[in-house]
Amino acid sequence: AQTVTQSQPEMSVQEAETVTLSCTYDTSENNYYLFWYKQPPSRQMILVIRQEAYKQQNATENRFSVNFQKAAKSFSLKISDSQLGDTAMYFCAFMDLRYSTLTFGKGTMLLVSP
Amino acid sequence: ETGVTQSPTHLIKTRGQQVTLRCSSQSGHNTVSWYQQALGQGPQFIFQYYREEENGRGNFPPRFSGLQFPNYSSELNVNALELDDSALYLCASSLGQGASTEAFFGQGTRLTVV
Repeated sequence: AQTVTQSQPEMSVQEAETVTLSCTYDTSENNYYLFWYKQPPSRQMILVIRQEAYKQQNATENRFSVNFQKAAKSFSLKISDSQLGDTAMYFCAFMDLRYSTLTFGKGTMLLVSP
Repeated sequence: ETGVTQSPTHLIKTRGQQVTLRCSSQSGHNTVSWYQQALGQGPQFIFQYYREEENGRGNFPPRFSGLQFPNYSSELNVNALELDDSALYLCASSLGQGASTEAFFGQGTRLTVV
């Protein structure tokens, strides 16, 4: 079974600064996907970024980028130029491609202040 | 906003009762997954339906059951409710299976069991 660990329950950052959220995972699979999801107070889970394990290049989506270290089983999210709207719970998730289901970490609450 | 809608948004039930939660998937999506998110935790996979058939199940007892209809909408039924069933229930729809098809989440149903 896969496990996903997010060791930072809460993080704070000021507007326009950069913040990094950590995630580690454990799996015996070689082929999988990793995700970061954002869950604002509206509760709707929104996909932030996706990384295919077979790709060495780190994924980027505008202000969001990841540092994927496959050997270390580490998958951190960097948010640049933080905005007030980035305030939300952030979940790291693992997908085993055999089953197409997601295993989530416990989440990191990110608070962006003016 | 995604095209995934869940009803009701909030629900209060008494221990021992039964509950049905509903999910209307995004147009054209044939796969629906259900997740349980307890307070302060990440979502946990309950089960998945693909073209009206159950296609995988997480570590939940049989009193959690589901259906998917020909229009791909879905229901989650929970019998003999327990206090620990209090949680946010999330539905996610996708087209086909695999991480290459993005899962879109609804806003969830907040279930409180008293």
